[in-house]
Amino acid sequence: GAGVSQSPSNKVTEKGKDVELRCDPISGHTALYWYRQRLGQGLEFLIYFQGNSAPDKSGLPSDRFSAERTGESVSTLTIQRTQQEDSAVYLCASSLRPSAGSYEQYFGPGTRLTVT
Amino acid sequence: LAKTTQPISMDSYEGQEVNITCSHNNIATNDYITWYQQFPSQGPRFIIQGYKTKVTNEVASLFIPADRKSSTLSLPRVSLSDTAVYYCLVGGLSSNTGKLIFGQGTTLQVKP
Repeated sequence: GAGVSQSPSNKVTEKGKDVELRCDPISGHTALYWYRQRLGQGLEFLIYFQGNSAPDKSGLPSDRFSAERTGESVSTLTIQRTQQEDSAVYLCASSLRPSAGSYEQYFGPGTRLTVT
Repeated sequence: LAKTTQPISMDSYEGQEVNITCSHNNIATNDYITWYQQFPSQGPRFIIQGYKTKVTNEVASLFIPADRKSSTLSLPRVSLSDTAVYYCLVGGLSSNTGKLIFGQGTTLQVKP
């Protein structure tokens, strides 16, 4: 079946512009996650959705970052007034509802964001 | 969530067995240990997960001692295509969200 898809695959934007990144999770996966990965670094958690609610927004770096999810499907991550430090690969993952012993998250290919 | 420590990099040759050890001294009772693999320009991919003793699947084995303060990922007979970054993570019900905390990972370079 289809995996997690993300669009666009690459995005180059000017500093100060807004960008919107999209994630389509695996059908039936109720949990959805956004991570950020800077060049040569590990993944940095941003936000988690269970259904369309976000019980954990602790990783959003600033109020310029927001995310929403429609039902148990597509999610969008919006970055307003982009800054150069926002340049990174933004990864989306989905999973079944987290439970004891089940942390198999399926990742998409990511969106590479470059802010010039 | 428990912090993990693993070597920054490792080198190996094709056909060898590779063991990557991860330390997690503050692991909680409910935490599971999970390993992910990441190739360049791709998202991480789940490899294996365990709670105690030994777990084996078609890709790897995971060894966890009785005190669970460390774990070892074992890759049998590696090939060039196993060159990747390997992440060790711990998490469980204590997090309530399934949020994964990724460290720097171990960059494995397999040479011919």
